[in-house]
Amino acid sequence: DAGITQSPRHKVTETGTPVTLRCHQTENHRYMYWYRQDPGHGLRLIHYSYGVKDTDKGEVSDGYSVSRSKTEDFLLTLESATSSQTSVYFCAMRRGGSPVDTQYFGPGTRLTVL
Amino acid sequence: EDKVVQSPLSLVVHEGDTVTLNCSYEVTNFRSLLWYKQEKKAPTFLFMLTSSGIEKKSGRLSSILDKKELSSILNITATQTGDSAIYLCAVDWRNTGTASKLTFGTGTRLQVTL
Repeated sequence: DAGITQSPRHKVTETGTPVTLRCHQTENHRYMYWYRQDPGHGLRLIHYSYGVKDTDKGEVSDGYSVSRSKTEDFLLTLESATSSQTSVYFCAMRRGGSPVDTQYFGPGTRLTVL
Repeated sequence: EDKVVQSPLSLVVHEGDTVTLNCSYEVTNFRSLLWYKQEKKAPTFLFMLTSSGIEKKSGRLSSILDKKELSSILNITATQTGDSAIYLCAVDWRNTGTASKLTFGTGTRLQVTL
């Protein structure tokens, strides 16, 4: 979706290093989400935000933190990356209201932790 | 525990065939069921279903929800090679006082051959 971007698109890092992924939306939506996608698991929610400085945990939040200091930006941080965090990370925003109130996804970030 | 189960896990068909993909769910506080298509990139939205028995249709794709059976099907008629993708089913749910969230199935991988 053109209204949501992610950076970087690819990253290779080493175990133990901090990593921050950025999600940026241009549509001023309140709700934003971070997911990871792994074979056999589908998409799993890591954290989500329901406004500036308002965030909450999803089902796989251990080892991750998030921040949202501006409506348009939602950051995902791996404080000390581990090989189990090698994954594809998707950010999503929720377009509320009519006609379809649902989530639209960014292009994804492929993260490899060596 | 909330869960969404899709079947089959993968499917290979010939161009022109009709396919039916299945999704069943067990979630509390159901709001809607969604179908996404994922090629080698981000999931893209197909349908949102909230009412039982009402078919949503877009070209050769159609979907229907059965809230009594807690399930949905996605039909694709006259398949084309461009339909090759992973089809994801997700259920939107919400606990009182929190933001709505999506729980995804693991997806059905569809391959359409000539």
